[in-house]
Amino acid sequence: SQTIHQWPATLVQPVGSPLSLECTVEGTSNPNLYWYRQAAGRGLQLLFYSVGIGQISSEVPQNLSASRPQDRQFILSSKKLLLSDSGFYLCAWRDVHRSYEQYFGPGTRLTVT
Amino acid sequence: GNSVTQMEGPVTLSEEAFLTINCTYTATGYPSLFWYVQYPGEGLQLLLKATKADDKGSNKGFEATYRKETTSFHLEKGSVQVSDSAVYFCALILNTGFQKLVFGTGTRLLVSP
Repeated sequence: SQTIHQWPATLVQPVGSPLSLECTVEGTSNPNLYWYRQAAGRGLQLLFYSVGIGQISSEVPQNLSASRPQDRQFILSSKKLLLSDSGFYLCAWRDVHRSYEQYFGPGTRLTVT
Repeated sequence: GNSVTQMEGPVTLSEEAFLTINCTYTATGYPSLFWYVQYPGEGLQLLLKATKADDKGSNKGFEATYRKETTSFHLEKGSVQVSDSAVYFCALILNTGFQKLVFGTGTRLLVSP
């Protein structure tokens, strides 16, 4: 069966510090991968998606970047965090050969202080 | 554009009450529709789905019927439990081109004993 992992689970970082969040998927190959952000009490905002290694599409211009160095690894980064980067970051994957639904990881709670 | 509108929350119910959470959508094309559930501090879990008009998705006592004529996908449960307390997200995905999930803003459900 497929599983998706995210780490760290929680993170507190000062303004101006760098960020690296990691997401890995097991049990599937060549998935579509997604990064979402959920601000407190708000819905989900799609940040980035990837259809393959090295292929990244950005949905919203911002302080963040994403990379996909391996087929089942998706990384969200920032060189200098802003207060507005605080939120709950969710990674998701989709099996392009089977169905349209996306499956989500447990999320990372980021607080920028 | 494509969008999903959900009823404002929170929805507060007593245990064993009937639940309805309204969801309507706007889409250029024929979307698949989903309900996701998010328990406190966790990622999103797929609750149910429907891929074409008149389909009924069901899971864990929850049901939703894809109504093309009213562009709706209302979530219902006949008897809620305290453990159903969570945030519920309605979402759509178009079945053509790059499939990107469009989420509603979420509806918080609070069930008291």
